[in-house]
Amino acid sequence: DAGVIQSPRHEVTEMGQEVTLRCKPISGHNSLFWYRQTMMRGLELLIYFNNNVPIDDSGMPEDRFSAKMPNASFSTLKIQPSEPRDSAVYFCASSIRGDTQYFGPGTRLTVL
Amino acid sequence: GEDVEQSLFLSVREGDSSVINCTYTDSSSTYLYWYKQEPGAGLQLLTYIFSNMDMKQDQRLTVLLNKKDKHLSLRIADTQTGDSAIYFCAEIRYNQGGKLIFGQGTELSVKP
Repeated sequence: DAGVIQSPRHEVTEMGQEVTLRCKPISGHNSLFWYRQTMMRGLELLIYFNNNVPIDDSGMPEDRFSAKMPNASFSTLKIQPSEPRDSAVYFCASSIRGDTQYFGPGTRLTVL
Repeated sequence: GEDVEQSLFLSVREGDSSVINCTYTDSSSTYLYWYKQEPGAGLQLLTYIFSNMDMKQDQRLTVLLNKKDKHLSLRIADTQTGDSAIYFCAEIRYNQGGKLIFGQGTELSVKP
């Protein structure tokens, strides 16, 4: 298996632009997690899905952030409009529900 | 408290043993994890321990679990420069849908 796939690996954008991050979980996994990592706040769970349904989005910082999982093999995290303080590394992870989470390589987002 | 806690830095000489410590909070956690993050990379699952175990050994890695004190440690024998990374411990919270709660990470620096 290729593992969790994320794209793009790097994104540089200007403040106010829309940013879409993509994730393909490991085939057969039914839970998907979006994390954000910054120096100041460490690793934060933003949202997670079980069987494509959002279960807990309490970590989503504000309404500018939204996440979807239209099917078992694809999820997006969208930021609209983006701000410089959104600059971070965003990780996607997947698991068989309640079991070990496997992480993707991350998307490094820079908002100028 | 709600946090998983780790010391932030550890420096050792090549060939020595490293011990990274972690305290967790949820006594009902059934699995506790160690992840490794190399510079610019995602989180790689290193090892895990089931809560009914006191110790788990995997080649150079030894995990010790003290459930009474909610203390977890990771020992790396014969530490190599390639072991330099950030090490995260994490507990799984089934009462929160299987969320992983991460510590802040311990940056291990191995000097030749």
